[in-house]
Amino acid sequence: GNSVTQMEGPVTLSEEAFLTINCTYTATGYPSLFWYVQYPGEGLQLLLKATKADDKGSNKGFEATYRKETTSFHLEKGSVQVSDSAVYFCAHHSGGGADGLTFGKGTHLIIQP
Amino acid sequence: DAGVTQSPTHLIKTRGQQVTLRCSPKSGHDTVSWYQQALGQGPQFIFQYYEEEERQRGNFPDRFSGHQFPNYSSELNVNALLLGDSALYLCASSFANEQFFGPGTRLTVL
Repeated sequence: GNSVTQMEGPVTLSEEAFLTINCTYTATGYPSLFWYVQYPGEGLQLLLKATKADDKGSNKGFEATYRKETTSFHLEKGSVQVSDSAVYFCAHHSGGGADGLTFGKGTHLIIQP
Repeated sequence: DAGVTQSPTHLIKTRGQQVTLRCSPKSGHDTVSWYQQALGQGPQFIFQYYEEEERQRGNFPDRFSGHQFPNYSSELNVNALLLGDSALYLCASSFANEQFFGPGTRLTVL
C-alpha cells in the first residue's frame, strides 16, 4: 500500500547549519511528492513539490529532488535559521488530484541561535 | 482571498455524542478533502468531496460522514464519538494538483 517514511525527530541544529530530512515512499504509479510545514499553532503550508522523476522543488532556500530509483524525496537547506523551527511533513498522492494525500509522521525541527 | 476557513476552532464533546465540523474552500476551488491529525502524528486522509459526491475514502469507519454543498463548502460529521476521535481535523481545498489547508478544528472528546 501507499506509505511515507521520514526520519523521526526532534532534530536539533544550530543556526546556519546544513539541514537534511530524509523521506522515502511507497506508492503505485507515479506519485506527486510534497513537503508541508506546520508552524506552532498553525495549519499545514505547502513548502515545495515535485510532480515527476528528477524534478527539483524549491522554496525559501529549501530543496528536494524526486528520486524515482531510490523512491526518495529528501529535504535540504544550506543554512537554517531560527525561524525554520517547525514540523515538516513529507507527503504524496498518485496524481490527478483525486487521491487523498498520504503523509509521513512528521519531523520536528528545532533551530537554536 | 480568505483562504480555507474552518469552524469552530475548538470543540469539546463527550463520548457518544455527535459533532459537525465546517469548511469553506479557497475561492475557485471545487474539491474538499478532510484529514484527521492525532497529536504527534501526520494527517490521515478521511475522504474527499467533488461535485457534491464522495469521490474517495480513506480507512475510516462509517461513523465519519460528510457533505458538500453547491457552493463547494463542506461538513464533516462524526457520530457516536469515541475518546480516540480526539484530534485536529483539517480541511483542504484544491482545484488541480495542489491542496491548501485550513487551520483546523481541535476536537476533544471527554
